[in-house]
Amino acid sequence: SAVISQKPSRDICQRGTSLTIQCQVDSQVTMMFWYRQQPGQSLTLIATANQGSEATYESGFVIDKFPISRPNLTFSTLTVSNMSPEDSSIYLCSVDSGRRDTQYFGPGTRLTVL
Amino acid sequence: AQSVAQPEDQVNVAEGNPLTVKCTYSVSGNPYLFWYVQYPNRGLQFLLKYITGDNLVKGSYGFEAEFNKSQTSFHLKKPSALVSDSALYFCAVRDSGNDMRFGAGTRLTVKP
Repeated sequence: SAVISQKPSRDICQRGTSLTIQCQVDSQVTMMFWYRQQPGQSLTLIATANQGSEATYESGFVIDKFPISRPNLTFSTLTVSNMSPEDSSIYLCSVDSGRRDTQYFGPGTRLTVL
Repeated sequence: AQSVAQPEDQVNVAEGNPLTVKCTYSVSGNPYLFWYVQYPNRGLQFLLKYITGDNLVKGSYGFEAEFNKSQTSFHLKKPSALVSDSALYFCAVRDSGNDMRFGAGTRLTVKP
């Protein structure tokens, strides 16, 4: 399985500011995913990021609010822009296994917006 | 589109007793089914998966799950629960090549 790290692990931010979350994988992967887990809720897919192409966003999520970069096969960033308290969540990075059947998850970034 | 349901928000069992966490699914093709566990302040850890083959799948930490095509279920089981098994459990389904969809989660509490 892949080893995935995320930075920061947690942050407390002010309303109206932006935060960029980094995701680093210890091996090259084709597909990376970004999920949001709101307090007491399940995971919701924000977008899928393939290297060399624009991210594909799920319904309800837009690039202006959640811009994503995927500069190479081991790294991705998710930015939460113009934050509001409703953005307080855990943000999780995930990658596909080489056979594209199992997904592995990073430890998450716990974001609190005041 | 694929979907998954976990009918129980909470499951409570006594240590040493068997546990079951329920999951049902809906997919248009052959299902890829997964169980993940989330401990407090941690990410999701992969427990086990069913892709094809034997309906009884064995995974990490002594957990197993049984794929039942006729009932479209994939219940998670463990013969003897430990207090350390207390966590949030997520069932997930994936149509081949598509995104993974998660259930709402079931909080398992194992009491000494």
